[in-house]
Amino acid sequence: GQNIDQPTEMTATEGAIVQINCTYQTSGFNGLFWYQQHAGEAPTFLSYNVLDGLEEKGRFSSFLSRSKGYSYLLLKELQMKDSASYLCAPMTTDSWGKLQFGAGTQVVVTP
Amino acid sequence: SQTIHQWPATLVQPVGSPLSLECTVEGTSNPNLYWYRQAAGRGLQLLFYSVGIGQISSEVPQNLSASRPQDRQFILSSKKLLLSDSGFYLCAWSGWDRVVVETQYFGPGTRLLVL
Repeated sequence: GQNIDQPTEMTATEGAIVQINCTYQTSGFNGLFWYQQHAGEAPTFLSYNVLDGLEEKGRFSSFLSRSKGYSYLLLKELQMKDSASYLCAPMTTDSWGKLQFGAGTQVVVTP
Repeated sequence: SQTIHQWPATLVQPVGSPLSLECTVEGTSNPNLYWYRQAAGRGLQLLFYSVGIGQISSEVPQNLSASRPQDRQFILSSKKLLLSDSGFYLCAWSGWDRVVVETQYFGPGTRLLVL
């Protein structure tokens, strides 16, 4: 199995930056996904990292350190619509195609 | 483009009644298909996944079952619902025609309340 740890909740103001950390313990690591889930809706794909480093995609960036078992999702220029749960999901080679999701980090954006 | 459908969107069922939830995918062939459950305020729990017609792997032993009668159809069933079966049921697909083949795309979900 996998251990996935991410904060339960984070609060930030509109226009600010928030960094959501995720640590994981897996064997045969094969990439990590981040998903966004608004309340009452299905998760939507945000990013995928398989190599070390930062992947930037507009206001959202995702970072991975394979050796440290660590990833973060960076949300810049926060908007009210970014209030949602953010799910970290590492994948392993022995569970190819299956994702184990963390419990999610609820981000609350305030005016 | 690919789309994924689930129905019904909402369901209220009495304890002990049967269940059938359906998921269909359009615009792709031979997708991997997944069923997840999300209890209120909780994370996603993988229930079943399928790599092809008639091929089902169960992740969590329980009173639910899954079937894949056609390439792009995935069904979640139960003979007798329990109160603990209440939750948000999500179907997802992944496929070889995506840049990152392991990326999963979710349907709109079915909200099930067992009373």
